[in-house]
Amino acid sequence: GNSVTQMEGPVTLSEEAFLTINCTYTATGYPSLFWYVQYPGEGLQLLLKATKADDKGSNKGFEATYRKETTSFHLEKGSVQVSDSAVYFCALSAGGTSYGKLTFGQGTILTVHP
Amino acid sequence: EAGVVQSPRYKIIEKKQPVAFWCNPISGHNTLYWYLQNLGQGPELLIRYENEEAVDDSQLPKDRFSAERLKGVDSTLKIQPAELGDSAVYLCASSTGQGSGEQYFGPGTRLTVT
Repeated sequence: GNSVTQMEGPVTLSEEAFLTINCTYTATGYPSLFWYVQYPGEGLQLLLKATKADDKGSNKGFEATYRKETTSFHLEKGSVQVSDSAVYFCALSAGGTSYGKLTFGQGTILTVHP
Repeated sequence: EAGVVQSPRYKIIEKKQPVAFWCNPISGHNTLYWYLQNLGQGPELLIRYENEEAVDDSQLPKDRFSAERLKGVDSTLKIQPAELGDSAVYLCASSTGQGSGEQYFGPGTRLTVT
């Protein structure tokens, strides 16, 4: 079956530090890959996505590249801010019988200190 | 544009009692999802609707859980009777159903069963 594995957290960084959150996946076929973010007290929001191999999704300074050879979709940001503190979820959407269904990783808590 | 609306935001009940959650999706979104999110975990799909038809309910524990989406708009998720292990956040999401995987989430209902 389809699955997503994220690096365990929590991750604690100082403002302006470099961020990497690792994500690897297992899926049949060619899934679309996503990063969702959940800010405190809010619902999940789509942060970025990539629909095919070598695509790079980007938004709000965050980037992730769809690497089919390593089945990875690592999230990066060059300089984090306090406002980036949230829970980050990697997810995939596969075709076939799983069409339209998102499979999520367990989430990574990010805390950024001033 | 209004987002996905869920109510109540919080619910505390005793075990063996019934409980219901309500969701109003984004206008024009034909696809509606209910997810279960346990503490420290990513959301897991319970049921997916295309208009008023439940097209994927394979993960819904049908002995105690039920859902409906009358007229293809609002949806209700019910648990009867609730068990201690049902304590979690219940998320509703909607999408245009075009298979892009981009879903819009509500803030969730946090259920505590005592």
